[in-house]
Amino acid sequence: AQRVTQPEKLLSVFKGAPVELKCNYSYSGSPELFWYVQYSRQRLQLLLRHISRESIKGFTADLNKGETSFHLKKPFAQEEDSAMYYCALGDIGGNKLVFGAGTILRVKS
Amino acid sequence: GAVVSQHPSWVICKSGTSVKIECRSLDFQATTMFWYRQFPKQSLMLMATSNEGSKATYEQGVEKDKFLINHASLTLSTLTVTSAHPEDSSFYICSASPTGNTEAFFGQGTRLTVV
Repeated sequence: AQRVTQPEKLLSVFKGAPVELKCNYSYSGSPELFWYVQYSRQRLQLLLRHISRESIKGFTADLNKGETSFHLKKPFAQEEDSAMYYCALGDIGGNKLVFGAGTILRVKS
Repeated sequence: GAVVSQHPSWVICKSGTSVKIECRSLDFQATTMFWYRQFPKQSLMLMATSNEGSKATYEQGVEKDKFLINHASLTLSTLTVTSAHPEDSSFYICSASPTGNTEAFFGQGTRLTVV
């Protein structure tokens, strides 16, 4: 069965500190993994996906199939990064998603 | 970018009544749309896959007679919560993707409160 685990409900860091939001998954096939972000009072939006291997807003995530992980990282957190972050596992088309529980990131000044 | 719009954004209804929620793709066509439910402080749970021109596919544990889904056109899917009860109160979110695009675009969500 497909499952996404985000072990931290809340991650609080100071501005300028490194950030790592953890995500582990279980999937029998070849996964498509995503990070979605929801800023306060806004809809869910795509932050990045593993197949694009790009950095968005300074965030990166590397798919580690051996550890079945897709952790989200940023070297220097900014206050505007404060939001809810969801790790998601997609089917081949990537549209039908299984979400993790989400992690609230709070960046303090 | 692609825009998905839900209507209404919030609704309050009495127990026993039915409520219809619309999900529209405003600038693209979508043969498939997805409906999620989100309880307070919890994650999104996929309820069903809405297929244009055919029956919806429901996830395990979701009552198809309770949550009626209709996808009559390539830009509109509707979710009807029938005979609503207070436990149906939740945040309902839809998503859709343009053909050939693996990015899911989400609606703003509909907060349903059943009193």
